[in-house]
Amino acid sequence: RKEVEQDPGPFNVPEGATVAFNCTYSNSASQSFFWYRQDCRKEPKLLMSVYSSGNEDGRFTAQLNRASQYISLLIRDSKLSDSATYLCVVNPGSARQLTFGSGTQLTVLP
Amino acid sequence: DAGVTQSPTHLIKTRGQQVTLRCSPISGHKSVSWYQQVLGQGPQFIFQYYEKEERGRGNFPDRFSARQFPNYSSELNVNALLLGDSALYLCASSLGAGEGGYGYTFGSGTRLTVV
Repeated sequence: RKEVEQDPGPFNVPEGATVAFNCTYSNSASQSFFWYRQDCRKEPKLLMSVYSSGNEDGRFTAQLNRASQYISLLIRDSKLSDSATYLCVVNPGSARQLTFGSGTQLTVLP
Repeated sequence: DAGVTQSPTHLIKTRGQQVTLRCSPISGHKSVSWYQQVLGQGPQFIFQYYEKEERGRGNFPDRFSARQFPNYSSELNVNALLLGDSALYLCASSLGAGEGGYGYTFGSGTRLTVV
């Protein structure tokens, strides 16, 4: 079983749609959780951290469920510029490295 | 301010050869981490260095090695290249040893192709 699992997609949605991505992680001792965004042939960039209380940044909302070991990302009012691969990322405990999911590809269509 | 710089941007090598990839962290950052990203997968952790000491090592063979210099720049070396080593190699810079993703900034990577 992979440490971080994501639906690879692709998700093709029209502009203005709401889209949700899910992710599960296997290490219950994981301490930190993130969503990164990666454009085609570019480096990953931190989109937002994820907290148990849920957090929102504009059109983006992230949620963590520690009991279910489940992370989600909701994008409202999708823009063409949201087209990218979204990587679910976990810090598995005391280790300092990041564990990445394989990514979910999103294409927002005009 | 310059971000994380990696060189070269692209590289083509033959199986069995050796390669050295370079990374300069953001000025003032003392930690460098290396990740390998194979096409269609997320990045996988290779090494972390902080203050010139290895602080973490991922599940990679001994053909992979790295070091960090007094100016905090870093090199990743891969010996006896295999076709499966073809990937985007990413360097991440952070102020301290870091906790997870806080303050991690990635360079644009070196795309290595082994033929």
